[in-house]
Amino acid sequence: DAKTTQPTSMDCAEGRAANLPCNHSTISGNEYVYWYRQIHSQGPQYIIHGLKNNETNEMASLIITEDRKSSTLILPHATLRDTAVYYCIVQSGGFKTIFGAGTRLFVKA
Amino acid sequence: GAGVSQSPRYKVAKRGQDVALRCDPISGHVSLFWYQQALGQGPEFLTYFQNEAQLDKSGLPSDRFFAERPEGSVSTLKIQRTQQEDSAVYLCASTKRGGANTGELFFGEGSRLTVL
Repeated sequence: DAKTTQPTSMDCAEGRAANLPCNHSTISGNEYVYWYRQIHSQGPQYIIHGLKNNETNEMASLIITEDRKSSTLILPHATLRDTAVYYCIVQSGGFKTIFGAGTRLFVKA
Repeated sequence: GAGVSQSPRYKVAKRGQDVALRCDPISGHVSLFWYQQALGQGPEFLTYFQNEAQLDKSGLPSDRFFAERPEGSVSTLKIQRTQQEDSAVYLCASTKRGGANTGELFFGEGSRLTVL
């Protein structure tokens, strides 16, 4: 599975959009981009995933570049409850989901 | 319950003791995973079950770690002769599907093990 690179930490003002980048320059054609988040003392929570097209659900939007070498997770109106570690994962459909260190997002009032 | 349930939530063990951690996956979920998460790190894969079959145990750190899922539902992760480096949160996850594309993982809240 391809490796991903994410910033270690980011800040965002409450009510503003949080844009979390992820580089996956070695992604191959059949690999999906998955995003999870982990709030303190809880297990990771699935957010969204995509292959080529941009995706949106009730939690977030996922923008994947045309060459698929990077993506951005967008939380449109961040709240204090969105403070968490966000993991970007590239997965070819195998069963082993490999987590990196993720991005620590701090949403500030 | 509707989610993945893990017990105990917290376990303190003396070095050398054996511990058993339980996972109740979402009903009907085919696949079950165990992960280990050290403080400040992302979760690390330990092992995977499809129904009762353990298809991958490549992440188990030593032969002191053993996992089972005898009836394809509840799973137990057993750690024998615990060491201080075993201190971590142990996460269980399940998914609806098995096979090549298991889809999104549903995680429990984890069992925090502290070995003194």
